[in-house]
Amino acid sequence: DQQVKQNSPSLSVQEGRISILNCDYTNSMFDYFLWYKKYPAEGPTFLISISSIKDKNEDGRFTVFLNKSAKHLSLHIVPSQPGDSAVYFCAASGGGNEKLTFGTGTRLTIIP
Amino acid sequence: ETGVTQSPTHLIKTRGQQVTLRCSSQSGHNTVSWYQQALGQGPQFIFQYYREEENGRGNFPPRFSGLQFPNYSSELNVNALELDDSALYLCASSLSQQVYGYTFGSGTRLTVV
Repeated sequence: DQQVKQNSPSLSVQEGRISILNCDYTNSMFDYFLWYKKYPAEGPTFLISISSIKDKNEDGRFTVFLNKSAKHLSLHIVPSQPGDSAVYFCAASGGGNEKLTFGTGTRLTIIP
Repeated sequence: ETGVTQSPTHLIKTRGQQVTLRCSSQSGHNTVSWYQQALGQGPQFIFQYYREEENGRGNFPPRFSGLQFPNYSSELNVNALELDDSALYLCASSLSQQVYGYTFGSGTRLTVV
């Protein structure tokens, strides 16, 4: 049962344009959502998060949007840079649970 | 401030063997969580240790076990290895039992043949 889904395994975007990565979830108990970025041979690094009491959180070039009614969140990166090429994981937690439930990841490639 | 260190980085084991993976938590962190990332999948929660006690476990069989030491470092032990145990094993430390502020290590790549 995949409670967090990232339906696009890969995405290619021109440098300077906007990258939009999507994530859907099914568990209504989730109340905190995070995005991680992962380079090969490295562990995931935290990018940005959002609590379910908000619908938007911004940090520099990164913005996360949360649509609770649709159980959908998205990560916007603008402008996209070559260093943004990596695998991006959406993760969720909630219900007092001390674990993260991850999606399967989206490989983002920024084309110079 | 040191980050999370995992050892070894790679290893190859034979089906049926036992393996121990190690994790040194980030300075000041008292909680360690272990995740398994199979090829093409996202990380899956194995268990968490808080102040040397198991604090939550995912859907993994009892042959996956762990320890946390007084210095908050941790071990993951897997007995009776199966081919499907081949994966990247990630350790994450944090200041508390919550998921905020996880710092992940680079992982141990385990191959079972």
